Amino acid sequence: AQKITQTQPGMFVQEKEAVTLDCTYDTSDQSYGLFWYKQPSSGEMIFLIYQGSYDEQNATEGRYSLNFQKARKSANLVISASQLGDSAMYFCAMRDLLLIIQGAQKLVFGQGTRLTINP
Amino acid sequence: DVKVTQSSRYLVKRTGEKVFLECVQDMDHENMFWYRQDPGLGLRLIYFSYDVKMKEKGDIPEGYSVSREKKERFSLILESASTNQTSMYLCASTRYGSGTSEQFFGPGTRLTVL
Repeated sequence: AQKITQTQPGMFVQEKEAVTLDCTYDTSDQSYGLFWYKQPSSGEMIFLIYQGSYDEQNATEGRYSLNFQKARKSANLVISASQLGDSAMYFCAMRDLLLIIQGAQKLVFGQGTRLTINP
Repeated sequence: DVKVTQSSRYLVKRTGEKVFLECVQDMDHENMFWYRQDPGLGLRLIYFSYDVKMKEKGDIPEGYSVSREKKERFSLILESASTNQTSMYLCASTRYGSGTSEQFFGPGTRLTVL
């Protein structure tokens, strides 16, 4: 079974600093995808970034980048120049290929990290 | 603008009541999912559906059932609500075979069972 581990329940960072949120995963699959979501206090889940297991380069989306180290099974999210609006829960998730015929793509989530940006 | 909506943001029910949580998506997605979110546990999959009238159990289906009579609507049913079902419930959808595409989430329903 696939498993995602986020070992940082909470993090406090000064505004404008870079922050790294840790994510390690466990899978026996060769083909998988890794996602990061942000959940502000309002509750909605906002997709941030995706990394495929065969992607040769680390994914980047604006201030977000994913430090993908396949051999170590880690997929850390890096936020550059943090802003007050980055304060939120952050979830790492892995795509579990389930029911391939139907094409359903289940996500397995980590426990989440609560990030607080201090002014 | 893609959208997943859920019928209520906050809901308070009593133990033993039958509870319906509704989710509607306007993206013509085939796959829909129900998760519950609890502190320290992340999101856990309750049920998902890959087509109308088709459903599969997720990791924690006990105490829940689902219904998908129309493609855009996926309902989560608590047949007899219990206090341990107090939680945040999130609905999501994604298109068929969307290997690299994200799941789109609704705003969530915070359910309290007294």
